[in-house]
Amino acid sequence: DAGVIQSPRHEVTEMGQEVTLRCKPISGHNSLFWYRQTMMRGLELLIYFNNNVPIDDSGMPEDRFSAKMPNASFSTLKIQPSEPRDSAVYFCASSSSLSRLAGQETQYFGPGTRLLVL
Amino acid sequence: KQEVTQIPAALSVPEGENLVLNCSFTDSAIYNLQWFRQDPGKGLTSLLLIQSSQREQTSGRLNASLDKSSGRSTLYIAASQPGDSATYLCAVSHGSSNTGKLIFGQGTTLQVKP
Repeated sequence: DAGVIQSPRHEVTEMGQEVTLRCKPISGHNSLFWYRQTMMRGLELLIYFNNNVPIDDSGMPEDRFSAKMPNASFSTLKIQPSEPRDSAVYFCASSSSLSRLAGQETQYFGPGTRLLVL
Repeated sequence: KQEVTQIPAALSVPEGENLVLNCSFTDSAIYNLQWFRQDPGKGLTSLLLIQSSQREQTSGRLNASLDKSSGRSTLYIAASQPGDSATYLCAVSHGSSNTGKLIFGQGTTLQVKP
């Protein structure tokens, strides 16, 4: 398996522009997580899905952020309009809820998208 | 609110030394605790997972312990090697059931000098 795939790997955009980050989870995994990592705040969970349904979006900073999971193999995180304070590395991770029920859940992380908003 | 703290923030040791990384959490109501490794510019890789009912887990030169009542975990690395240089993060799955939601510490950046 290729692991969790994220695109783009790097994104540079200007303030006010729309940014869309993409994630393909590991095949067979039914839980998907979006994280944001900054020097100041560390790694924060933004939102997670179980079986394509958003379960907890309490970490989404504000209405400019939205996430969708239209099917089991694809998710997007959109920022509209983007602001300089959104600059961070955004990670997607996936896991299997079956392994979680067995107490052996491991989240598998993608390589991240490094976003810079000018 | 659950908070996870890791000390020290950075550590530099000569090759071959044994070392301990520390993690503390404020709320003992956790389902499990995990240690991850992050290499520069990369994602996270899970190293060890300890269930709340367990005391420790071992994988090769790594040993993680958990004292839930005191809100502490340690990651012990034996005979450190330059390839161990990375940032190590601990994360807790908060709550009495396993929702999969993890709360991370800020990490300890380790440098092992040849």
